[in-house]
Amino acid sequence: AQTVTQSQPEMSVQEAETVTLSCTYDTSESDYYLFWYKQPPSRQMILVIRQEAYKQQNATENRFSVNFQKAAKSFSLKISDSQLGDAAMYFCAYTGDDKIIFGKGTRLHILP
Amino acid sequence: DAGVTQSPTHLIKTRGQQVTLRCSPKSGHDTVSWYQQALGQGPQFIFQYYEEEERQRGNFPDRFSGHQFPNYSSELNVNALLLGDSALYLCASSLSTGVLSNQPQHFGDGTRLSIL
Repeated sequence: AQTVTQSQPEMSVQEAETVTLSCTYDTSESDYYLFWYKQPPSRQMILVIRQEAYKQQNATENRFSVNFQKAAKSFSLKISDSQLGDAAMYFCAYTGDDKIIFGKGTRLHILP
Repeated sequence: DAGVTQSPTHLIKTRGQQVTLRCSPKSGHDTVSWYQQALGQGPQFIFQYYEEEERQRGNFPDRFSGHQFPNYSSELNVNALLLGDSALYLCASSLSTGVLSNQPQHFGDGTRLSIL
């Protein structure tokens, strides 16, 4: 069965610094998709970045980038130049084999 | 451009009752998914509706049922409520490029359901 693991329940980073959130997953599928979603205290979940498993190039969206290691089944999120507005719960999600699975999330605190 | 809207925002019920939650998808979207998010947990997939049919279902009992209307809006019904059903229920919409695909989902603010 597919699983998604976020091993860091909480993290803190100084404003303007860089932080990396980890995510590992388990699947026997070769074709799947991975996402990072952000859920601020206002509750609405929004997409941060996505990665297709068949693409070797790591996805990048402005200050957000991923390190996708398919063989290791690892999908970490790097946030550069952290801002106060980045404070939120971050969820890693996997879709494949007609399933969608979210990790338990990492709460990110930004220290001014 | 209206995003995903859910109603009500909060709801309090007692054990054994039934509840209906509502969702209107983002303009242009035709696929609606429902999730249960317990406190401190990630969302768990309940089911997905496309073309007024349930297309995929997560590991939830038959007490959880749904419906999609011709205008793509959707309802989630939960019968015989249990204390463990207390959670935030999220609705998400997407385009019908695949039942569970690479298309990002757009989430609503959720309905906080409390069971007494």
